[in-house]
Amino acid sequence: DVKVTQSSRYLVKRTGEKVFLECVQDMDHENMFWYRQDPGLGLRLIYFSYDVKMKEKGDIPEGYSVSREKKERFSLILESASTNQTSMYLCASSLRVSYGYTFGSGTRLTVV
Amino acid sequence: QQQVKQSPQSLIVQKGGISIINCAYENTAFDYFPWYQQFPGKGPALLIAIRPDVSEKKEGRFTISFNKSAKQFSLHIMDSQPGDSATYFCAAIDMRFGAGTRLTVKP
Repeated sequence: DVKVTQSSRYLVKRTGEKVFLECVQDMDHENMFWYRQDPGLGLRLIYFSYDVKMKEKGDIPEGYSVSREKKERFSLILESASTNQTSMYLCASSLRVSYGYTFGSGTRLTVV
Repeated sequence: QQQVKQSPQSLIVQKGGISIINCAYENTAFDYFPWYQQFPGKGPALLIAIRPDVSEKKEGRFTISFNKSAKQFSLHIMDSQPGDSATYFCAAIDMRFGAGTRLTVKP
Protein backbone atom coordinates (compact mmCIF):
# COMPACT_ATOMS: atom_id res chain seq x y z
CA ASP A 1 0.00 0.00 0.00
CA VAL A 2 1.08 3.54 -0.70
CA LYS A 3 1.97 5.39 2.40
CA VAL A 4 1.85 9.15 2.83
CA THR A 5 3.57 10.34 5.96
CA GLN A 6 3.14 13.76 7.47
CA SER A 7 5.94 14.62 9.85
CA SER A 8 3.87 16.14 12.66
CA ARG A 9 0.51 15.10 14.03
CA TYR A 10 0.02 18.22 16.14
CA LEU A 11 1.83 21.52 15.94
CA VAL A 12 1.53 24.75 17.91
CA LYS A 13 3.21 27.84 16.51
CA ARG A 14 3.24 31.53 17.31
CA THR A 15 1.90 34.27 15.06
CA GLY A 16 4.58 35.45 12.65
CA GLU A 17 6.63 32.27 12.75
CA LYS A 18 7.70 30.52 9.57
CA VAL A 19 6.20 27.04 9.62
CA PHE A 20 7.22 23.99 7.61
CA LEU A 21 4.86 21.04 7.12
CA GLU A 22 6.55 18.02 5.61
CA CYS A 23 5.00 15.23 3.58
CA VAL A 24 6.68 12.12 2.18
CA GLN A 25 5.18 9.40 -0.03
CA ASP A 26 6.81 6.07 -0.72
CA MET A 27 5.27 4.90 -4.00
CA ASP A 28 6.89 7.05 -6.67
CA HIS A 29 3.73 9.04 -7.31
CA GLU A 30 4.04 11.94 -9.71
CA ASN A 31 1.35 14.08 -8.14
CA MET A 32 1.23 15.55 -4.67
CA PHE A 33 -1.26 17.91 -3.06
CA TRP A 34 -1.78 20.03 0.02
CA TYR A 35 -5.26 20.68 1.39
CA ARG A 36 -6.60 22.33 4.47
CA GLN A 37 -9.74 21.06 6.14
CA ASP A 38 -12.01 23.27 8.20
CA PRO A 39 -15.44 22.46 9.65
CA GLY A 40 -18.18 23.17 7.16
CA LEU A 41 -15.74 24.03 4.38
CA GLY A 42 -14.58 20.58 3.37
CA LEU A 43 -11.20 20.12 1.74
CA ARG A 44 -9.70 23.15 0.07
CA LEU A 45 -6.76 22.87 -2.28
CA ILE A 46 -3.77 25.02 -1.39
CA TYR A 47 -1.06 23.88 -3.81
CA PHE A 48 -0.28 20.90 -5.97
CA SER A 49 2.68 19.53 -7.88
CA TYR A 50 2.86 17.32 -10.95
CA ASP A 51 6.59 16.80 -10.88
CA VAL A 52 9.79 17.67 -9.11
CA LYS A 53 10.38 21.41 -8.86
CA MET A 54 6.96 22.02 -10.35
CA LYS A 55 4.16 23.70 -8.39
CA GLU A 56 0.78 25.13 -9.14
CA LYS A 57 -1.51 27.28 -7.02
CA GLY A 58 -4.77 25.80 -5.88
CA ASP A 59 -7.81 27.68 -4.67
CA ILE A 60 -6.38 29.25 -1.51
CA PRO A 61 -2.61 29.76 -1.96
CA GLU A 62 -2.38 33.13 -0.19
CA GLY A 63 -0.01 32.99 2.76
CA TYR A 64 1.47 29.66 1.69
CA SER A 65 4.28 28.41 -0.50
CA VAL A 66 5.54 24.93 -1.35
CA SER A 67 8.72 23.14 -2.21
CA ARG A 68 9.29 19.92 -4.12
CA GLU A 69 12.98 19.25 -4.45
CA LYS A 70 12.59 15.47 -4.55
CA LYS A 71 9.80 13.39 -6.04
CA GLU A 72 8.82 11.81 -2.74
CA ARG A 73 8.73 14.98 -0.64
CA PHE A 74 6.34 17.92 -0.81
CA SER A 75 6.63 20.64 1.80
CA LEU A 76 4.09 23.31 2.69
CA ILE A 77 5.48 26.56 4.06
CA LEU A 78 3.57 29.18 6.00
CA GLU A 79 5.72 32.24 5.44
CA SER A 80 4.38 34.14 8.46
CA ALA A 81 1.83 32.14 10.40
CA SER A 82 -1.42 33.82 11.32
CA THR A 83 -4.28 32.70 13.55
CA ASN A 84 -6.56 32.21 10.54
CA GLN A 85 -4.21 29.48 9.37
CA THR A 86 -5.15 27.34 12.35
CA SER A 87 -6.49 24.24 10.63
CA MET A 88 -6.05 20.58 9.76
CA TYR A 89 -3.57 20.21 6.89
CA LEU A 90 -3.72 17.15 4.70
CA CYS A 91 -1.17 15.97 2.19
CA ALA A 92 -2.11 13.56 -0.60
CA SER A 93 -0.47 11.84 -3.53
CA SER A 94 -1.69 10.05 -6.64
CA LEU A 95 -0.26 8.13 -9.54
CA ARG A 96 -2.42 10.04 -12.01
CA VAL A 97 -4.47 13.14 -11.35
CA SER A 98 -7.73 11.40 -12.22
CA TYR A 99 -6.97 8.37 -10.08
CA GLY A 100 -7.61 7.92 -6.40
CA TYR A 101 -5.65 9.85 -3.85
CA THR A 102 -3.80 8.52 -0.84
CA PHE A 103 -3.93 10.92 2.07
CA GLY A 104 -1.69 11.31 5.06
CA SER A 105 -3.15 11.37 8.56
CA GLY A 106 -3.00 15.14 8.71
CA THR A 107 -1.27 17.81 10.78
CA ARG A 108 -3.42 19.79 13.14
CA LEU A 109 -1.80 23.21 13.30
CA THR A 110 -2.70 25.75 15.92
CA VAL A 111 -1.35 29.28 15.57
CA VAL A 112 -1.48 31.30 18.77
CA GLN B 1 -15.71 27.77 -6.89
CA GLN B 2 -18.05 24.85 -6.20
CA GLN B 3 -17.38 22.29 -8.87
CA VAL B 4 -19.09 19.48 -6.99
CA LYS B 5 -22.15 19.94 -4.80
CA GLN B 6 -22.70 17.32 -2.14
CA SER B 7 -25.82 16.70 -0.09
CA PRO B 8 -26.92 16.33 2.61
CA GLN B 9 -24.49 18.00 5.00
CA SER B 10 -25.37 15.53 7.71
CA LEU B 11 -27.33 12.31 7.88
CA ILE B 12 -28.58 10.18 10.74
CA VAL B 13 -29.59 6.61 9.97
CA GLN B 14 -30.67 3.71 12.14
CA LYS B 15 -28.54 0.57 12.19
CA GLY B 16 -29.57 -1.66 9.31
CA GLY B 17 -30.94 1.20 7.25
CA ILE B 18 -29.80 2.59 3.91
CA SER B 19 -27.63 5.70 3.80
CA ILE B 20 -27.72 7.75 0.61
CA ILE B 21 -25.39 10.63 -0.17
CA ASN B 22 -25.60 12.59 -3.39
CA CYS B 23 -23.13 14.53 -5.48
CA ALA B 24 -23.74 16.77 -8.50
CA TYR B 25 -21.03 17.93 -10.84
CA GLU B 26 -20.79 20.46 -13.64
CA ASN B 27 -17.98 19.51 -15.97
CA THR B 28 -18.93 16.75 -18.37
CA ALA B 29 -15.26 16.07 -19.11
CA PHE B 30 -14.83 14.36 -15.74
CA ASP B 31 -13.92 10.72 -16.07
CA TYR B 32 -13.50 9.50 -12.53
CA PHE B 33 -15.96 9.74 -9.65
CA PRO B 34 -14.67 8.64 -6.27
CA TRP B 35 -16.02 8.61 -2.75
CA TYR B 36 -13.77 8.99 0.26
CA GLN B 37 -14.43 8.02 3.87
CA GLN B 38 -12.87 9.90 6.76
CA PHE B 39 -12.91 8.87 10.41
CA PRO B 40 -12.18 11.44 13.13
CA GLY B 41 -8.48 12.15 13.45
CA LYS B 42 -7.62 10.39 10.20
CA GLY B 43 -7.07 11.45 6.63
CA PRO B 44 -9.70 10.56 4.02
CA ALA B 45 -9.37 7.13 2.43
CA LEU B 46 -10.62 6.10 -0.98
CA LEU B 47 -13.76 4.03 -0.49
CA ILE B 48 -15.13 3.33 -3.95
CA ALA B 49 -14.94 4.94 -7.38
CA ILE B 50 -16.67 4.70 -10.74
CA ARG B 51 -15.85 5.68 -14.31
CA PRO B 52 -18.58 7.06 -16.58
CA ASP B 53 -18.80 4.02 -18.83
CA VAL B 54 -20.87 2.16 -16.21
CA SER B 55 -23.99 3.21 -14.30
CA GLU B 56 -23.39 1.29 -11.08
CA LYS B 57 -20.57 -0.24 -9.11
CA LYS B 58 -20.95 -2.33 -5.99
CA GLU B 59 -18.34 -3.29 -3.42
CA GLY B 60 -19.79 -5.12 -0.47
CA ARG B 61 -22.37 -2.90 1.21
CA PHE B 62 -21.24 0.17 -0.74
CA THR B 63 -22.69 1.08 -4.14
CA ILE B 64 -22.12 4.02 -6.45
CA SER B 65 -24.96 4.91 -8.80
CA PHE B 66 -24.01 7.15 -11.69
CA ASN B 67 -26.43 9.21 -13.78
CA LYS B 68 -24.51 10.78 -16.63
CA SER B 69 -27.43 12.71 -18.12
CA ALA B 70 -28.26 14.30 -14.78
CA LYS B 71 -24.58 14.81 -13.93
CA GLN B 72 -25.09 13.17 -10.57
CA PHE B 73 -23.68 10.24 -8.66
CA SER B 74 -24.68 8.78 -5.35
CA LEU B 75 -23.20 6.62 -2.62
CA HIS B 76 -25.52 4.02 -1.12
CA ILE B 77 -24.57 2.23 2.07
CA MET B 78 -26.75 -0.82 2.60
CA ASP B 79 -27.32 -2.31 6.06
CA SER B 80 -25.62 0.70 7.64
CA GLN B 81 -23.58 -0.04 10.74
CA PRO B 82 -22.35 2.18 13.60
CA GLY B 83 -18.82 1.60 12.27
CA ASP B 84 -19.84 3.41 9.09
CA SER B 85 -20.21 6.63 11.07
CA ALA B 86 -17.75 8.96 9.37
CA THR B 87 -17.56 11.91 7.02
CA TYR B 88 -17.92 11.09 3.34
CA PHE B 89 -16.58 13.18 0.48
CA CYS B 90 -17.25 12.97 -3.22
CA ALA B 91 -14.88 14.27 -5.87
CA ALA B 92 -15.73 14.78 -9.51
CA ILE B 93 -13.02 17.06 -10.66
CA ASP B 94 -9.30 16.69 -10.44
CA MET B 95 -8.23 17.86 -7.04
CA ARG B 96 -11.57 19.30 -5.79
CA PHE B 97 -13.94 17.70 -3.31
CA GLY B 98 -17.51 18.10 -2.15
CA ALA B 99 -18.10 19.78 1.20
CA GLY B 100 -18.62 16.45 2.96
CA THR B 101 -21.48 14.57 4.63
CA ARG B 102 -21.28 13.59 8.26
CA LEU B 103 -23.01 10.24 8.63
CA THR B 104 -24.13 8.98 12.03
CA VAL B 105 -25.49 5.45 12.29
CA LYS B 106 -27.42 4.94 15.51
CA PRO B 107 -27.34 1.48 17.12
